[in-house]
Amino acid sequence: GEKVEQHESTLSVREGDSAVINCTYTDTASSYFPWYKQEAGKSLHFVIDIRSNVDRKQSQRLTVLLDKKAKRFSLHITATQPEDSAIYFCAASRNSNNRIFFGDGTQLVVKP
Amino acid sequence: AQTIHQWPVAEIKAVGSPLSLGCTIKGKSSPNLYWYWQATGGTLQQLFYSITVGQVESVVQLNLSASRPKDDQFILSTEKLLLSHSGFYLCAWIQGAETLYFGSGTRLTVL
Repeated sequence: GEKVEQHESTLSVREGDSAVINCTYTDTASSYFPWYKQEAGKSLHFVIDIRSNVDRKQSQRLTVLLDKKAKRFSLHITATQPEDSAIYFCAASRNSNNRIFFGDGTQLVVKP
Repeated sequence: AQTIHQWPVAEIKAVGSPLSLGCTIKGKSSPNLYWYWQATGGTLQQLFYSITVGQVESVVQLNLSASRPKDDQFILSTEKLLLSHSGFYLCAWIQGAETLYFGSGTRLTVL
């Protein structure tokens, strides 16, 4: 089955700097790649996604890049703020089979 | 607007005791529903999903079971808790084809 790996377990940046979180996946049939944010002690909420028919998607300070050849996708956060501090999970799925595979999460710490 | 409610918010239970966690979604007809488990500080493990009333597919059982008694309700249960059941249980539903929307979760501590 699909295996999603997040390469950074922890990432620490200074406020105002950029942060990049990288994920890889194994299933070439995966076509949907969402990102979720989990603040301390809370549930997950959706932040941004990308589908396999594009290689870049931006929403305000967030950009997702997808490299299908390398089976790699990444979340870029610009002008980081303390409230960006959280665990970020990447995920991958096919359209059709109700299985969504998550990475292990990256703890992002934004230092003032 | 759709809302998803999980209950209880937290539970402290003894090993060997039964458990029932619930999830209700309002404002969405025939949602796909999911149960996830997150060990403390850990990754998310998909446990079950259901696409219709009375139908549940198991992904990883972990000595748990799930049921969908109503269109808007998803129940996770076991008759005998293990220490390894401790963690954070999340119910979620799917928007459109793929985006998961999570409930606020139930934190379970098994002693």
